[in-house]
Amino acid sequence: GQNIDQPTEMTATEGAIVQINCTYQTSGFNGLFWYQQHAGEAPTFLSYNVLDGLEEKGRFSSFLSRSKGYSYLLLKELQMKDSASYLCAVRDSNYQLIWGAGTKLIIKP
Amino acid sequence: ETGVTQTPRHLVMGMTNKKSLKCEQHLGHNAMYWYKQSAKKPLELMFVYNFKEQTENNSVPSRFSPECPNSSHLFLHLHTLQPEDSALYLCASSQEGPAGGPETQYFGPGTRLLVL
Repeated sequence: GQNIDQPTEMTATEGAIVQINCTYQTSGFNGLFWYQQHAGEAPTFLSYNVLDGLEEKGRFSSFLSRSKGYSYLLLKELQMKDSASYLCAVRDSNYQLIWGAGTKLIIKP
Repeated sequence: ETGVTQTPRHLVMGMTNKKSLKCEQHLGHNAMYWYKQSAKKPLELMFVYNFKEQTENNSVPSRFSPECPNSSHLFLHLHTLQPEDSALYLCASSQEGPAGGPETQYFGPGTRLLVL
């Protein structure tokens, strides 16, 4: 079966760096997405990786290793507003999105 | 502002009621989706419409009935729901990409549904 694994919850301190990991086993691969979802709000698109390596976008970076079935989202200079759930999703060979259950990130002052 | 709106934002209904959820996208996309989001579970894809044609129905019970009158509007008609159907229902839209598959999905804020 197809599976996406990410930690259920993480805690970090304001101003610090946190890495949220995502491992996947899917039927084929056509890209990996990260979304941010604040409580009670819509998931919003953060990043997309289809080739191996690091994609940097301001304080957020996303890394992909297709051979290892692994990605991470790196958040730098954490702010209180970064408290949210972070969803990892992989697009399989049929262009269907397979979703992880999300990682709830708690930022403490 | 994501360009995808959903109404109502909150809904409480009894098991014998009939209600409808509405989604509208202002992004010019040609595909729309209904998802169910339950606490601590992955997003569950329910229905997909491409160019107003339903292309996906992931074994969803018949008490959920989608309708897509045009590429900008999507409805989810609800009847005789069960308490386990209580969840956040999210609508999303996307544009078909150059490779033929859907590109990035953009989500609405969701309807929080409680079935009593």
